[in-house]
Order: sequence, then structure tokens, then C-alpha cells
Amino acid sequence: GAVVSQHPSWVICKSGTSVKIECRSLDFQATTMFWYRQFPKQSLMLMATSNEGSKATYEQGVEKDKFLINHASLTLSTLTVTSAHPEDSSFYICSAREHGADIHNEQFFGPGTRLTVL
Amino acid sequence: AQKITQTQPGMFVQEKEAVTLDCTYDTSDPSYGLFWYKQPSSGEMIFLIYQGSYDQQNATEGRYSLNFQKARKSANLVISASQLGDSAMYFCAIGGAGSYQLTFGKGTKLSVIP
Repeated sequence: GAVVSQHPSWVICKSGTSVKIECRSLDFQATTMFWYRQFPKQSLMLMATSNEGSKATYEQGVEKDKFLINHASLTLSTLTVTSAHPEDSSFYICSAREHGADIHNEQFFGPGTRLTVL
Repeated sequence: AQKITQTQPGMFVQEKEAVTLDCTYDTSDPSYGLFWYKQPSSGEMIFLIYQGSYDQQNATEGRYSLNFQKARKSANLVISASQLGDSAMYFCAIGGAGSYQLTFGKGTKLSVIP
């Protein structure tokens, strides 16, 4: 089956620093990748949709200058949390759609990255 | 806009029994897909089952089946012969044909009792 990896799986950083999270599709080409945020005991909230070679589309209320998304290739998307603060501490999950897939095909999720900002 | 409602924050089931997790949805898309995912404490999202809006038959995948009632806009997940490893959060999600984005419900925490 299709595999999506995320790196790092967990990260602890100081307030004010930037953190980069990578999302890779290992055995398929992903035209579109999605970034979600999940606070403890809550649901996944879509942050942005990332299309290869174009600017990401952010959901309402998500600061695009704080959460920088780059989708430079069909197998890699990165999320950079700039000037992280404790309220940014969360579980960040990416998912990917295979090139050519339609709605009937599932999104493949990465294992998630747990970010803790001190 | 699409919306998923999961009204059961938590459910308990005896091992080897069947359990139904409720999911209702709202969408203006004529074509859509309904998904169920399992999230164990490790955090990974595990795909369980999919139902397309035009599928005539209810989807089944092993011990998982989806009770799809289009007129009632419900897509309940049925897990048969529950196992201890089924204890997890379960999320229902809907995707539209246009954007392929998924909208998730708040989830149901299932606990299987030995």
C-alpha cells in the first residue's frame, strides 16, 4: 500500500524558533498534500492544501506567514512553523493524494509529528 | 460547506460483540465520499472503509461494514466481533468531488472490554 512518512516524529523547541516538518510520499507521486492540526482529544482540522508547484491554499483562520508550506516535488511537502509559540504545540499530520486519483480514492496519512514549544 | 456529526463521544463494547458508531453528514455536493478512519493512541490515521455517494451497496471490509442511508444522510460504521485492538478513536470524514479535501467529525472513542 501507499506509504507516507513524516519527519521528525516529535520535536521540542524553544519559543521563538522555527521548526520544519517534512511529509514524503514514499512509493507514489502525490499531486496534492494536506496538512492537518490536531489538538489533544480533538478532531483533525485542515490547515492547508498543498499542490505541487503552486502556492498552498490556507483555510480560514490559518496564518500563511506563520505556517509556511512548500510543495517542491511530487513526493515532498514541508510545513515550517515560524516563530513558534507554546500555543502552536500540537500534533501535525499530513496526508497525500496520489496523482490522478479521484474522490473515490483514499488519502494516505503520515504518522504525524508532535510539536512541543517550551 | 460539508459537515460531519458524530454524536457519541465514547462507546463501550464487550469483546466479541458488534458495535455501531454513528455518523451523519451534510453536504451540497451531488457526488461525495464517506470515509472512516481509526486513530490508536500512537496517533496514526488508519483507513478503514469508504462509501461513495452513488454506490448502491453498503461497503464492507472484513469486520467493518458501513450502513449507508443516503436519504437520512447517515453513514454508520459497524464493527463485528470486536477485539481488544479495536480500542481507539474513530473518525468519520466526508470528501467532495471538487476539492478532495476531507472534513472530519469530532470522533468517537471506542473502548473494548475484555
